[in-house]
Amino acid sequence: DTAVSQTPKYLVTQMGNDKSIKCEQNLGHDTMYWYKQDSKKFLKIMFSYNNKELIINETVPNRFSPKSPDKAHLNLHINSLELGDSAVYFCASSRLAGGPVDTQYFGPGTRLTVL
Amino acid sequence: GESVGLHLPTLSVQEGDNSIINCAYSNSASDYFIWYKQESGKGPQFIIDIRSNMDKRQGQRVTVLLNKTVKHLSLQIAATQPGDSAVYFCAENIAGTASKLTFGTGTRLQVML
Repeated sequence: DTAVSQTPKYLVTQMGNDKSIKCEQNLGHDTMYWYKQDSKKFLKIMFSYNNKELIINETVPNRFSPKSPDKAHLNLHINSLELGDSAVYFCASSRLAGGPVDTQYFGPGTRLTVL
Repeated sequence: GESVGLHLPTLSVQEGDNSIINCAYSNSASDYFIWYKQESGKGPQFIIDIRSNMDKRQGQRVTVLLNKTVKHLSLQIAATQPGDSAVYFCAENIAGTASKLTFGTGTRLQVML
């Protein structure tokens, strides 16, 4: 059983398009995250939601908009895609934020290629 | 062998040898540290974590050492196996920053047969 799943696994699109990546976790966790991993493997947090509430919002262009319909899902919508958005995007989840930091479990990633 | 995780260096070890992967952190307010393993085409996989009130923690074939004096973290893998080949990341959480993890640049471990 997949704990954190993402769709699609690969996404190839043209500059200027709008696209979404979906994430679901079946671990019963309250907190979900989006990370971006660049071509040099550097992994950086973008957003974090706790029980559908935004708690971490790093310096990310406002073309990126996370949406959490419920605590098991955190989707990432990207408007007006640019070449520099090409990367691998990872979703992750952990137990309740606000207490001691807990282990984050990652999904398999979505490789986004903007042409 | 030893390596410091800057600019994705590569650590090559013989199968059966012990591996040591090092990580330096800069923020003395960091109170939680975690090691992840990332295989090609996959997401980071949790290996082991440690809180700042500990100096050492052991798992199955892995040990994490934390030296707060010099802000240094290491991951030791005993009897390295081909399946250990991957990129290894350390990450830290600074107290008071919710669940935000700041990742290091990673070290690639290559196990030679």
